[in-house]
Amino acid sequence: ELKVEQNPLFLSMQEGKNYTIYCNYSTTSDRLYWYRQDPGKSLESLFVLLSNGAVKQEGRLMASLDTKARLSTLHITAAVHDLSATYFCAVAVDSNYQLIWGAGTKLIIKP
Amino acid sequence: DAGITQSPRHKVTETGTPVTLRCHQTENHRYMYWYRQDPGHGLRLIHYSYGVKDTDKGEVSDGYSVSRSKTEDFLLTLESATSSQTSVYFCAIRSTGLGEQYFGPGTRLTVT
Repeated sequence: ELKVEQNPLFLSMQEGKNYTIYCNYSTTSDRLYWYRQDPGKSLESLFVLLSNGAVKQEGRLMASLDTKARLSTLHITAAVHDLSATYFCAVAVDSNYQLIWGAGTKLIIKP
Repeated sequence: DAGITQSPRHKVTETGTPVTLRCHQTENHRYMYWYRQDPGHGLRLIHYSYGVKDTDKGEVSDGYSVSRSKTEDFLLTLESATSSQTSVYFCAIRSTGLGEQYFGPGTRLTVT
């Protein structure tokens, strides 16, 4: 059974600090996705990582993928309050592009 | 905006009643998905469709059925709603580029 585990599940941090969210998965996959969800809202795509060593950056967020370790990271640099949200990773598992999702990391950034 | 709408957006229903949720897309995407979201579980796939009248089960399909009679509409039916089906339901489409899924606004369903 494919499992996708995120940690931490909850993170409270101060503005200006750096932190990393981890996403581990239990089987091979050729693509991994990161999404953001604001409270009461839908999910928004952040990054698509397609190959080993892939790195994508958007503003203060940077995502990377290590397919050999089955690990993706989402790094937050100099956090700001607007990044407060829940972040999900998801792994594609078959030719019908089913995604298996992590439980999400709730990130609270305090001023 | 991937042109995805869901209806209704909120619904309260009683145990044992049938409920149908609708997902409508405007961009002719082949793949459509229904998920439920519950605290601590992330998203869990209920059913998905890979074309008109082509559907398959996801990991939590018991108690749910789907239909897709035309490309733009994907219906999710709870045949006899139970309290365990109280959840937020999201519909998604798969883009043809990098394979990202784009989500509708969600339907909050409460079964009393």
